[in-house]
Amino acid sequence: GAGVSQTPSNKVTEKGKYVELRCDPISGHTALYWYRQSLGQGPEFLIYFQGTGAADDSGLPNDRFFAVRPEGSVSTLKIQRTERGDSAVYLCASSLTSGSGNEQFFGPGTRLTVL
Amino acid sequence: KQEVTQIPAALSVPEGENLVLNCSFTDSAIYNLQWFRQDPGKGLTSLLLIQSSQREQTSGRLNASLDKSSGRSTLYIAASQPGDSATYLCALDTGRRALTFGSGTRLQVQP
Repeated sequence: GAGVSQTPSNKVTEKGKYVELRCDPISGHTALYWYRQSLGQGPEFLIYFQGTGAADDSGLPNDRFFAVRPEGSVSTLKIQRTERGDSAVYLCASSLTSGSGNEQFFGPGTRLTVL
Repeated sequence: KQEVTQIPAALSVPEGENLVLNCSFTDSAIYNLQWFRQDPGKGLTSLLLIQSSQREQTSGRLNASLDKSSGRSTLYIAASQPGDSATYLCALDTGRRALTFGSGTRLQVQP
């Protein structure tokens, strides 16, 4: 079956611009996660959704970052007034539920470059 | 705060060798531990998931063990192949559902 998909695969933008990154989870997965990975590091948690609601957004670095999942499926990560330090690979994952022990499945990521 | 350390950061071995990758963590109160593989420029592929009540999991040439009391997990790769070359990441679920990752071990298997 289809895995987690993310679009675009690459995004180049200028400092100060607004960007949206999209994640399509595995069908039937109720939990969705966003992570950010800088070069040479492991992914760092940003936010996770159970259904339509953000169950934990403690990893969002500041109020320029926001994410939505209005219908409990596709999610969009939104970054306002982008800064060069936002450049990273943004990874999305989904799991069947958010219960402990549920395996997370990752998408290929969106590489964001802020010039 | 949970900290996850992976040693070594990089490893180069000749084809056919058996090898061990290490992952250590500071807080033993974990729900599960996952090992992932990441190829350059790609996303993460889940290899093995060990629940907190389990001691090990096996898949093909891979075996992962978990010792919560000592805060350690190891990933054992038997008879390594050039196709195993990738970065291997361990990640913990501490009950927050979000995973806490190590920085990974970059493995190169020489033909």
